Amino acid sequence: QVQLQESGPGLVKPSQTLSLTCTVSGASIRSGRYFWTWIRQPAGKGLEWIGRIYTSENTNSENTNYNPSLKNRVTISEDTSKSQFSLKLTSVTAADTAVYYCARGTWDGMDVWGQGTTVTVSS
Amino acid sequence: QSVLTQPPSASGTPGQRVTISCSGSSSNIGVNYVYWYQQLPETAPKRLIYQNNQRPSGVPDRFSGSKSGTSASLAISGLRSEDEADYYCAAWDDSLSGVVFGGGTKLTVL
Repeated sequence: QVQLQESGPGLVKPSQTLSLTCTVSGASIRSGRYFWTWIRQPAGKGLEWIGRIYTSENTNSENTNYNPSLKNRVTISEDTSKSQFSLKLTSVTAADTAVYYCARGTWDGMDVWGQGTTVTVSS
Repeated sequence: QSVLTQPPSASGTPGQRVTISCSGSSSNIGVNYVYWYQQLPETAPKRLIYQNNQRPSGVPDRFSGSKSGTSASLAISGLRSEDEADYYCAAWDDSLSGVVFGGGTKLTVL
């Protein structure tokens, strides 16, 4: 059974960097079949796709896609040795306060989600 | 402002059929699959429909999806109290090179 678990600080100061990790169990994150994805949801609001990382089956290279509205501030990376992928969001403001989810994306949609972790940006 | 447009709310009584619409454009719904997610209160979203109209195993056949042109719909028949949740549509957007979501529809079972 595939499981995803987010971890990281629940409180980040304005202008600092938000860093979260998603630990994957039950699936290989190196598989070209999956897109390892971050999504966030501010309290009382809708879902926002942050970006994803995946391995190209053709070239075996690592690729990323990011939400254009966050592109200059976001980096998603993976550590296959630890079966983890990570999110870094720089220069955070109160607008970045949200529940952050990691999810496994497939051609059939995002089929497995973590439980979510709340990050508050405040001094 | 979400790229995909959904009504903010919908409602129905037990046993009724309700539909939730999702409107997009030629760069997303018009050329890519539509997905639907259900988010029960205080829980992570759950995949409900994939590739426009396919149900994952375990999703009741009361839930169905359809797509026409640049719009899509989620239909729930035989409405039950446990269907009360937020529903989101999503699709890949070729112009943005990313996934776009609708703003979500809060379904109330009266």
